[in-house]
Amino acid sequence: EDQVTQSPEALRLQEGESSSLNCSYTVSGLRGLFWYRQDPGKGPEFLFTLYSAGEEKEKERLKATLTKKESFLHITAPKPEDSATYLCAVFSGSARQLTFGSGTQLTVLP
Amino acid sequence: GAVVSQHPSWVICKSGTSVKIECRSLDFQATTMFWYRQFPKQSLMLMATSNEGSKATYEQGVEKDKFLINHASLTLSTLTVTSAHPEDSSFYICSAANSGSTDTQYFGPGTRLTVL
Repeated sequence: EDQVTQSPEALRLQEGESSSLNCSYTVSGLRGLFWYRQDPGKGPEFLFTLYSAGEEKEKERLKATLTKKESFLHITAPKPEDSATYLCAVFSGSARQLTFGSGTQLTVLP
Repeated sequence: GAVVSQHPSWVICKSGTSVKIECRSLDFQATTMFWYRQFPKQSLMLMATSNEGSKATYEQGVEKDKFLINHASLTLSTLTVTSAHPEDSSFYICSAANSGSTDTQYFGPGTRLTVL
């Protein structure tokens, strides 16, 4: 059974204070790892897809990296508008569906 | 690109009535669409997977007779909650994938269902 664990559950940062969110996973045959951002009362917004260990992707202040056991979402110099819940999900050949972590609720204070 | 819409965005209904939620992929054809529900402070739980022109595949514990899914075209899937009860109140979110099982899923904005 695929498992995804995100940490920390909640993170409060001052504006400009860089940090990283962690997503640890156990899957049989990873076919993709996905990062989404979700604002309250809205559907998840796609951020990144990573397919193989060593892969990195960047978008504005966000950078996602992938190893064989975990993924990190690095946030550089965050702004209050980066406040949201960040979800990690994996797609495996065995499960053939997305398995989501419980998310990290990020709050960036001005 | 890759925009998914849902309608309605929120709905309030009386217990025992049926509610239909539409999910549309606006700028791409979705071979596969997914329906999730999300309770407060919790992550998304997959309810069912639907492929255009075929019957939906429901996850364990999801009543197929209660949550009717129709994927009549490559851009439209509908979820009908039949004989809704207060325990069905939740945030329902659909997603769509371009093609293949490894492609990224793009999510709709969600539908808040409240059953009185």
